[in-house]
Amino acid sequence: AQRVTQPEKLLSVFKGAPVELKCNYSYSGSPELFWYVQYSRQRLQLLLRHISRESIKGFTADLNKGETSFHLKKPFAQEEDSAMYYCALLNTGFQKLVFGTGTRLLVSP
Amino acid sequence: EAQVTQNPRYLITVTGKKLTVTCSQNMNHEYMSWYRQDPGLGLRQIYYSMNVEVTDKGDVPEGYKVSRKEKRNFPLILESPSPNQTSLYFCASSLQGGEETQYFGPGTRLLVL
Repeated sequence: AQRVTQPEKLLSVFKGAPVELKCNYSYSGSPELFWYVQYSRQRLQLLLRHISRESIKGFTADLNKGETSFHLKKPFAQEEDSAMYYCALLNTGFQKLVFGTGTRLLVSP
Repeated sequence: EAQVTQNPRYLITVTGKKLTVTCSQNMNHEYMSWYRQDPGLGLRQIYYSMNVEVTDKGDVPEGYKVSRKEKRNFPLILESPSPNQTSLYFCASSLQGGEETQYFGPGTRLLVL
């Protein structure tokens, strides 16, 4: 069965520190993975997807099939990065997204 | 403005009183979906629709119904709400399928007493 695990409920860092939000998945097929972000009082929105291999707002995520991971990284955190981050896996057979439980990132000045 | 809208945004009701949460998108998207968000559980899919008159169960469909009579609308129906359906509900849409970027509505916070 497909599953997405985000082991940290809360990650608290200081401004300028590196950030890594962990995401591990289990899926028998070829995975398509996403990171969605929800800023305070805003709707959930796509941050990035592994297939596009792009960097958004300084964030990157690399798919590691050997470790079944898709960790989200940013070298220097900013206060405006404080938000809830969700890792998601696409179940291509059923055309649905499976979300992790989310990690709240808190960046302090 | 391209967007997904939900109504109502906040709702307090009592057990057993039927309610409908509407969802509408103006982007001509084929795929629409409903999620509920609960603390510690993240987002879980309730139902999704690949196109008009095509709907399917997600991970937690019990106690919910949906319909897709028009492309733009995807209402979520709770025939007999119960307290365990107290949650934050999100509607989402994407161009064709789950692999596309999903655009989320603002959320509907439901309290069932």
